[in-house]
Amino acid sequence: GAVVSQHPSRVICKSGTSVKIECRSLDFQATTMFWYRQFPKQSLMLMATSNEGSKATYEQGVEKDKFLINHASLTLSTLTVTSAHPEDSSFYICSARDWRIQYFGAGTRLSVL
Amino acid sequence: AQTVTQSQPEMSVQEAETVTLSCTYDTSENNYYLFWYKQPPSRQMILVIRQEAYKQQNATENRFSVNFQKAAKSFSLKISDSQLGDTAMYFCAFMKIEGLTVGGGSQGNLIFGKGTKLSVKP
Repeated sequence: GAVVSQHPSRVICKSGTSVKIECRSLDFQATTMFWYRQFPKQSLMLMATSNEGSKATYEQGVEKDKFLINHASLTLSTLTVTSAHPEDSSFYICSARDWRIQYFGAGTRLSVL
Repeated sequence: AQTVTQSQPEMSVQEAETVTLSCTYDTSENNYYLFWYKQPPSRQMILVIRQEAYKQQNATENRFSVNFQKAAKSFSLKISDSQLGDTAMYFCAFMKIEGLTVGGGSQGNLIFGKGTKLSVKP
């Protein structure tokens, strides 16, 4: 299957700082990428959908000014958590779609102190 | 709106035996895909198997097979010869296909079930 690389795998930051997470499709071009958040022992919660060259579409309840998404190329999408707070601590997963299959990155564990 | 239900929060199976995970979904769409993903302790989501709704034949991938009952809106996953590495969370997912033609149209977002935690015991 196709490979999606997500970096970093783990980040620890101080409250008030911003954190950027990168998601790359390594062997295919992804017009559409997705960002999910996963709480312990729960399913994936879609945060936003990004299409290359256009603004991301955020799900209801997701603060677009806190979670900035940039999909600048067909192989790269970034999620920036701005002014992070402890309640933003979570596991974030990106996904890229190749035709009708979504492939997932390995996730990023964010811990905000 | 579409919903996906996995009624078994946890299951266990002995190594080398067979286990079936249940999934039902609710939709008024006629054209869609169904998926099973696994999430092992590493938390990497891995595609296990997919089924196109227009295909009557059940999908098979090595030890993994599905029982797709479109009228009943059921999509169960059977794992044969269970291995320790099969221990994971398993998520059933639905994706509608917007458009009238097979192979054409656009895709909706994945709708996930809540997952089934499968433990394979030695």
